[in-house]
Amino acid sequence: QKEVEQNSGPLSVPEGAIASLNCTYSDRVSQSFFWYRQYSGKSPELIMSIYSNGDKEDGRFTAQLNKASQYVSLLIRDSQPSDSATYLCAVPPRGTYKYIFGTGTRLKVLA
Amino acid sequence: EPEVTQTPSHQVTQMGQEVILRCVPISNHLYFYWYRQILGQKVEFLVSFYNNEISEKSEIFDDQFSVERPDGSNFTLKIRSTKLEDSAMYFCASRGAGGMENTQYFGPGTRLTVL
Repeated sequence: QKEVEQNSGPLSVPEGAIASLNCTYSDRVSQSFFWYRQYSGKSPELIMSIYSNGDKEDGRFTAQLNKASQYVSLLIRDSQPSDSATYLCAVPPRGTYKYIFGTGTRLKVLA
Repeated sequence: EPEVTQTPSHQVTQMGQEVILRCVPISNHLYFYWYRQILGQKVEFLVSFYNNEISEKSEIFDDQFSVERPDGSNFTLKIRSTKLEDSAMYFCASRGAGGMENTQYFGPGTRLTVL
């Protein structure tokens, strides 16, 4: 059974700080990785995808991937109260297109 | 910007009744999915659908569940005889042609409450 692990939190950071969210996965041949944001009672909303080792930046968000360590992270710079949500890591096992989701990390940005 | 839509937003039903949840995927997408999320738990994969047939399903997706693409736009999930434990948010998702691009876009969800 392929697993995706996240710390459920809550992770509390002050407004303007960097929030660091982590995810580990068990399928060492997975090739694509996704971060979604989910507000309470709402559906997952794509933040970004990453396929290659290293960093990928999009505005205030940076995804980092280390396939050797089976680790993907999401950094949120200049955190805002509106970033308060649950952040979901999703990893399709190799050979399938379904997502395996982690439990999500609840982020609280304190004004 | 194109988006996935779902109806109804909330469905309340009695145990043992049949429900049909409806989704309209993004128009040029080819792969369709249903996921569910029980309150306070993780999002779980139910089924994927491509080229008018199920391509993969989870152990949750038993004989009580079925999916259909009745026309060129709708994608439905039917639960034949609902149980209390079917109460959850049900999300439809769709994605484009494939290759390395595996990004799925989610609809707003249907909250199913089984009494």
